[in-house]
Amino acid sequence: EDQVTQSPEALRLQEGESSSLNCSYTVSGLRGLFWYRQDPGKGPEFLFTLYSAGEEKEKERLKATLTKKESFLHITAPKPEDSATYLCAVQARAYGQNFVFGPGTRLSVLP
Amino acid sequence: DTAVSQTPKYLVTQMGNDKSIKCEQNLGHDTMYWYKQDSKKFLKIMFSYNNKELIINETVPNRFSPKSPDKAHLNLHINSLELGDSAVYFCASREGRDTEAFFGQGTRLTVV
Repeated sequence: EDQVTQSPEALRLQEGESSSLNCSYTVSGLRGLFWYRQDPGKGPEFLFTLYSAGEEKEKERLKATLTKKESFLHITAPKPEDSATYLCAVQARAYGQNFVFGPGTRLSVLP
Repeated sequence: DTAVSQTPKYLVTQMGNDKSIKCEQNLGHDTMYWYKQDSKKFLKIMFSYNNKELIINETVPNRFSPKSPDKAHLNLHINSLELGDSAVYFCASREGRDTEAFFGQGTRLTVV
């Protein structure tokens, strides 16, 4: 069965303490993996799209990487404003035009 | 200028009522979606709508119906509301098949 999972479910970091979030998928025919950030009471905000294994994208303190089975979102020297829920979404041939979202990782960065 | 906008932001209503949520996008996108985010924050697809082709998630009750008066709008009508319909509903749009989607700010529906 196709599946998208994320770990950890929640993560608490001290300001400046780097870490990584994981998104694992078992879908076949991957057409794209998307990372979003969601703040409380708001809609998901697009961060990155990765299309093929080995691809990397960076934006400020965030770096996303992709392998054939998983994606990592690396956060370097995080700040309190990076606190949010990070969602990954997968688009695969079997899903047509739809994304399938993972459950998210709730990140808290303490000052 | 908001790209994807939903109204209302909050909606409180009684069981059995019929309600609508409106969505408009000014991005010129061809595909629009409705997602439901439950209390566990899981985002699940409800509908996708592309060039008048509606694809329905088979798990969505037929009390829910999307209506698209034009390419920029996709409204969600809900009949005979139930307690379990309480959730946050998000509208989204995207330009092409493998591009990112842009989300509205959500509508928090509470059925009492």
